[in-house]
Amino acid sequence: DIQMTQSPSSVSASVGDRVTITCRASHDVSSWLAWYQQKPGKAPKLLIYSASRLQIGVPSRFSGSGSGTDFTLTISSLQPEDFATYYCQVADRFRWTFGQGTKVEIK
Amino acid sequence: QVQLQESGPGLMKPSETLSLTCSVSGASISPYYWGWIRQPPGKGLEWIGFIYYTGSTTYNPSLDSRVTISVDTSKNQFSLKVNSVTSADMAVYYCARAYANRGSFDVWGQGTMVTVSS
Repeated sequence: DIQMTQSPSSVSASVGDRVTITCRASHDVSSWLAWYQQKPGKAPKLLIYSASRLQIGVPSRFSGSGSGTDFTLTISSLQPEDFATYYCQVADRFRWTFGQGTKVEIK
Repeated sequence: QVQLQESGPGLMKPSETLSLTCSVSGASISPYYWGWIRQPPGKGLEWIGFIYYTGSTTYNPSLDSRVTISVDTSKNQFSLKVNSVTSADMAVYYCARAYANRGSFDVWGQGTMVTVSS
């Protein structure tokens, strides 16, 4: 089974900062990687699919990159509403696996 | 727009069978995949499994022996059963639409908390 390693587990940042979160897969998953944002008490929200495609309605300050085993989610200028937990998720054939999550906290 | 709503008992006893239903509105069950995901309190997300509108299923190997997902296209619903629950099954359970060509869950229900306690 595929293993996902997401880092860091938490990050403290200020409004306006650039934030980068990484996800590493245990084997090549091509571009089958998605990113989600989850706020407390809410369901996850899809931000990025196919590693770099922005879901409709998601602000352009969110971007994704990578392929193969290494992927990155970047928030170019952190906004107050972006403080949340972010998860990567890989689609390895029909075994879908989530990363452990990264909590973005206010500095 | 597409909306999903989970329903089922919030409190269960150990060894009972958990049964949840996800009602889909604003879209037809076909021709999509539909999935279940759970999240223990304070922890991360765990994929449970999928069902295609035809009834074809795929499960997380770690839960395979205890999980059954079924679909009722006439009611535009799909369901989850988990046998022999323990405290480890206590979690918020989410249903979601799986956009298979994009490898992602694009629409989620609000989630329902299931507590397991004797």
